[in-house]
Amino acid sequence: KNEVEQSPQNLTAQEGEFITINCSYSVGISALHWLQQHPGGGIVSLFMLSSGKKKHGRLIATINIQEKHSSLHITASHPRDSAVDICAVEGVPKLIFGTGTRLQVFP
Amino acid sequence: DSGVTQTPKHLITATGQRVTLRCSPRSGDLSVYWYQQSLDQGLQFLIQYYNGEERAKGNILERFSAQQFPDLHSELNLSSLELGDSALYFCASSVNRGLAIGNEQFFGPGTRLTVL
Repeated sequence: KNEVEQSPQNLTAQEGEFITINCSYSVGISALHWLQQHPGGGIVSLFMLSSGKKKHGRLIATINIQEKHSSLHITASHPRDSAVDICAVEGVPKLIFGTGTRLQVFP
Repeated sequence: DSGVTQTPKHLITATGQRVTLRCSPRSGDLSVYWYQQSLDQGLQFLIQYYNGEERAKGNILERFSAQQFPDLHSELNLSSLELGDSALYFCASSVNRGLAIGNEQFFGPGTRLTVL
């Protein structure tokens, strides 16, 4: 069993839909990161959180430390959100990555 | 633009050869991380340097080595290359004050290595 599990692996949505991507982990962590990788390969950090909830524009990330679970929500999805969203947990001090969720948003 | 630069963007070489990948962190960032992304293994942590010293090691092969120089740029050396080393290699940097953890990492654009 992987230390970091993401679901779903693939997600297709219509523009405007509310999207949720889930991440569960089995190890002790100091922080959890949500990353986004676009088709060109570049990786962008979306969030780093160790408790509660963070919001950037249409993106919201939550974490429940007791349940070892995090979610990434995208409100009013847009075709430019199409990418691979990756959950990564930070041990001491390395990152352990999930396999990613491939998101496609159609107009 | 994350502020992290990597060269070269693409590298094509033959089995048995040795290559060097270079990374310049964001101005002010003391930590440099190296990651490998292959089709079958996904993203994996290789090694971290902090202010010139090795801080943590992950799944880095003995054929691979890295260093961080006084100007904080870092190089990843890959030797005796095999077909399976073909991958995207990312460098990331963070401020990483002392032993503090939970630092946002900024990723470079990656170097795509193809071993023929």
